[in-house]
Amino acid sequence: QKEVEQDPGPLSVPEGAIVSLNCTYSNSAFQYFMWYRQYSRKGPELLMYTYSSGNKEDGRFTAQVDKSSKYISLFIRDSQPSDSATYLCAMSTTSGTYKYIFGTGTRLKVLA
Amino acid sequence: GAVVSQHPSRVICKSGTSVKIECRSLDFQATTMFWYRQFPKQSLMLMATSNEGSKATYEQGVEKDKFLINHASLTLSTLTVTSAHPEDSSFYICSARDHQRPGNIEKLFFGSGTQLSVL
Repeated sequence: QKEVEQDPGPLSVPEGAIVSLNCTYSNSAFQYFMWYRQYSRKGPELLMYTYSSGNKEDGRFTAQVDKSSKYISLFIRDSQPSDSATYLCAMSTTSGTYKYIFGTGTRLKVLA
Repeated sequence: GAVVSQHPSRVICKSGTSVKIECRSLDFQATTMFWYRQFPKQSLMLMATSNEGSKATYEQGVEKDKFLINHASLTLSTLTVTSAHPEDSSFYICSARDHQRPGNIEKLFFGSGTQLSVL
C-alpha cells in the first residue's frame, strides 16, 4: 500500500462547477498537508497549506483535513478553464528531515 | 511565498555528455534543497536531499556517482547528470524550504523544472 493515494483522473468538469479533489494516506504521523498545482512541464506551485486537522479557505479554494479518517480534500469553487492542471497533494511529518510524500496527482480539465 | 529559480528549463544533449542543472533560492537562504525526478503523468520521485556544506543524502536506488549534487552556498544547489544516457531523459525539479520566515518553515517551494532529453 502506498503511503499516499490519489486518483490520477482525468477529471473533466464544466466551467463554474465545484471541483472536489481527494487524497488518502496511511501514516498517522503526517501533520503538514499541502496542495500543489502543476501546469504541464512546470514546477509545482503551492496552493494551500494546512497544519493538522480542520478547514482552510483562500479565495475559491478550500482545503480540508480529517486526520481521524486520514483523508484530505481540496475544493475549487466556480472552476475556470485556467484551473486546468494537475493537482498534487503532499504531506510531511514533524520530523526534522521534513520528508515530503506526494500523491500521484489528479489531472483536472475545466471545459469552457 | 519564496522564490526558487531553476536553470536551464530545457536541455538536449548527446549520450555520454554531462549536464549541470542549477537551483537557486532568490529571496531566502536554503540550508536544505531537494531534487526530484518526474516521468510523464507520474508523481514526483525524490532523488536526494542536498545539504549546504555537507554531502547529499540519496534515496534508495539513486546512483550518487551518476547524479552529483553540490550545495556549496546557502542559495545554490547543483545537480550534474554525468555521462547521460537516453534513460536519464526526464523532468528534473528542485525545491527548497524557507526555514527562516514564520509561516514558511514547513512549506516546500519548487523551481520551474528542467526537461532533459538525451539523444
